Order: sequence, then C-alpha cells, then structure tokens
Amino acid sequence: AIQMTQSPSSLSASVGDRVTITCRASQGIRNDLGWYQQKPGKPPRLLIYGASKLQSGVPSRFSGSGSGTDFTLTISSLQPEDFATYYCLHDLNYPFTFGPGTKVDIK
Amino acid sequence: QVQLVESGGGVVQPGMSLTLSCSASGFTFSRYAMHWVRQAAGKGLEWVAVISYDGDTKIYADSVKGRFTISRHSSNSTLSLQMTSLQSDDTAVYYCARARDTGWYPDQLELWGQGTMVTVSS
Repeated sequence: AIQMTQSPSSLSASVGDRVTITCRASQGIRNDLGWYQQKPGKPPRLLIYGASKLQSGVPSRFSGSGSGTDFTLTISSLQPEDFATYYCLHDLNYPFTFGPGTKVDIK
Repeated sequence: QVQLVESGGGVVQPGMSLTLSCSASGFTFSRYAMHWVRQAAGKGLEWVAVISYDGDTKIYADSVKGRFTISRHSSNSTLSLQMTSLQSDDTAVYYCARARDTGWYPDQLELWGQGTMVTVSS
C-alpha cells in the first residue's frame, strides 16, 4: 500500500500568515491527491482534489500544487476559521491512505 | 437535502459484532461508490472500506479484512458495515463518505456523515 507522510505535524501561525503544508507519497501518485480540513468533533471537509483543483465552496485562499510524490497545500492568508487539522489523501488506487495530519493552531 | 446519516454505534465487548448503517438522501445513491473511514480519539483518519456503485466490488483495509463486510441497499439508499471479532483498536468514530463523482474510478470523498461512535471494551 502507498504510504503518505506530512510535514510538519503541527505548526503555530497568526491570522494573516501564509501557511504551507507538505505531503509526500511513498510512490508516484500522479496528481491523485486531495486535501481535507477537520475541526474538532466534525467530519473532514474536502478542500482540494486532483492535487490543485479547488472544491466548490472552498475559499480561494486555499491552493494545492504538486504531482508525483510531493504535494503542497497553501493557505495564502490564514483566517480565524482555518485553525484546524489538515490531512492529505491519495486516490490513485485502493486501498486509500491518509497522511497523519498537520495541526494548525494559533501562535 | 444532500446528506449522510450514520447510526448503529455503541459499546460492545471484545470479540462481539456490530453493524453500522448510513442512510443517504438528496442524491442518486446507486451512482456513487461509498466508503467507510474511521478515527480513533485524538488520532488521524483511517480509510476502512469501499463498495462500488453497483455493489459488485468491495475493497478493505488490511486492518479489517476478513472481519468487516461492507454492503449497500439501493432500494432504501443505505450503506452498511458489518463488524465482527471486534478488538479494542477498532474503537473509533466511524464515518460514511461518498465519492466526489459517479462511477467506479477512485475519487476523493466529497460528502461525509457526522459519524457514529464505536467503543470496544469489556
């Protein structure tokens, strides 16, 4: 199965900061990657699919890039509602695998 | 309203069985692959299983293979997860989720339920 890693595991940032989270796959997954946001007690929310395509309704401050094994989620200007945990998920084939998550909290 | 609602969670003893259900509404259930994803308290997300839109193909994570069975009933737009030989590390919130697009091509998970809690404890 494909293994996914994320870095950092956590970060502290301020409102207005530019935030970058990295996800790496153990083998090439083309652009078959998505990013999710999860807040405590809530289900995950799809932000990005196809590595760089913004899901409907997601603010444009979120963007994704990368292909192959290395991917990035960028929040251009962090907002109060963005403090959450972020996960990547590959959908190249089954079984799917999530990354371990990156917690973004307030500095 | 497009939504997924899970039910059936609870407290069970190790070795016992439990069946979860997920009721779908607001979309054509029979056109989408459906998934189960779980999350232990304070931990990350773990993909559990998927069933194709027509129910013909079922794929499981190694951690549950041979113990869990995913199924679907298009007549009442319901997804199920039958869990047997439950272990303490199966304790988690279980989410059902719908693929982003129709068909069987692997796709991201666009629609999620609120989850149902399963606790395996003696």
